Amino acid sequence: DGGITQSPKYLFRKEGQNVTLSCEQNLNHDAMYWYRQDPGQGLRLIYYSQIVNDFQKGDIAEGYSVSREKKESFPLTVTSAQKNPTAFYLCASSRGLTAQETQYFGPGTRLLVL
Amino acid sequence: GESVGLHLPTLSVQEGDNSIINCAYSNSASDYFIWYKQESGKGPQFIIDIRSNMDKRQGQRVTVLLNKTVKHLSLQIAATQPGDSAVYFCAERAPSGTYKYIFGTGTRLKVLA
Repeated sequence: DGGITQSPKYLFRKEGQNVTLSCEQNLNHDAMYWYRQDPGQGLRLIYYSQIVNDFQKGDIAEGYSVSREKKESFPLTVTSAQKNPTAFYLCASSRGLTAQETQYFGPGTRLLVL
Repeated sequence: GESVGLHLPTLSVQEGDNSIINCAYSNSASDYFIWYKQESGKGPQFIIDIRSNMDKRQGQRVTVLLNKTVKHLSLQIAATQPGDSAVYFCAERAPSGTYKYIFGTGTRLKVLA
């Protein structure tokens, strides 16, 4: 089965704590993305990566960090600097960043603050 | 700023009827569009896409229409089924040289038995 997996499905964060969301894909895609989804809003881009060991900030990168050590993996860390982390986080991938490449999404992780 | 919007936040249709979900986009230079379906608590699922050099594309029970003159995109679902109940949103891709997609907020489709 090819696809994108995210874990955990639900994640609880205590104040001042850093938490890491996992994203893995076996589609052999070069590009990976992290989005945040809030009620009543369109998806907002947090970070994206075009290739291993390279990543760029999206529109709302403050309070988040990522790494891309392997092609298959693009974990997102929500740091204590992110003051409003409660949201649904979606990971996506595409073959590349060139035009007209479809993005495919994982099942999402819902992050809640205790 | 540039945005993708939807005319109706909620659409209710009778089972078996056809559904039409609309989307307006503001960037006339956008060259690629995608429709996604998202069920509650799940990630978006790709439905169909269309490139700007086309005005219509058909899939299984779905058709996407693109009207570049008025910057309008629509998704038609034929013979709507209960399993079609979900939020549908469109995404537009800015011209080549950028990575960004702009996502709409979505329309909730409710299928009535």
